[in-house]
Amino acid sequence: QKEVEQDPGPLSVPEGAIVSLNCTYSNSAFQYFMWYRQYSRKGPELLMYTYSSGNKEDGRFTAQVDKSSKYISLFIRDSQPSDSATYLCAMSPGGKLIFGQGTELSVKP
Amino acid sequence: GAGVSQSPSNKVTEKGKDVELRCDPISGHTALYWYRQSLGQGLEFLIYFQGNSAPDKSGLPSDRFSAERTGGSVSTLTIQRTQQEDSAVYLCASSPGSDTQYFGPGTRLTVL
Repeated sequence: QKEVEQDPGPLSVPEGAIVSLNCTYSNSAFQYFMWYRQYSRKGPELLMYTYSSGNKEDGRFTAQVDKSSKYISLFIRDSQPSDSATYLCAMSPGGKLIFGQGTELSVKP
Repeated sequence: GAGVSQSPSNKVTEKGKDVELRCDPISGHTALYWYRQSLGQGLEFLIYFQGNSAPDKSGLPSDRFSAERTGGSVSTLTIQRTQQEDSAVYLCASSPGSDTQYFGPGTRLTVL
């Protein structure tokens, strides 16, 4: 079993939809949680970062961490075609990141 | 400000040749990481440098892989006697501490 599990999708939604992306993990030592967005043939871009349970909001993006359930989520409100990319969850006890497989998202106009 | 830069952006080599990949981290970042991204394996950690501490090499897949970081800044990842399974995108990231990491655009390595 992988330390971080993420549904690879692909996920296709209409423009304006709310998108929910999720990851589960097994290592209780993880204390930093991140979401990256990766466009085709580009490096991952840091979207959200948190180190505590609860919600963190930044514009249309909300990151949610539930340490008791070992579950993290990223919500995208009012999704746009420009949000079409692969979304990677990543987590760390400090130092190296362990990534999920990535979810490929397509937002259709 | 300038982000993480990597060179070359693409590298095609023949099986058995050695390759060197370069990473210039964000100025002032003390930590530098190398990862590999391939279709079947996703994004995998290779090696981690933090300040003057001994690097964490626990992710290197074989002794053909090595990396160094000179002067606490630029890093070079070297792959000796390349094999076809080494074909992947090699990503470098830097961090001001032990948490957030900022990635470069990657080097796409193709071993023929």
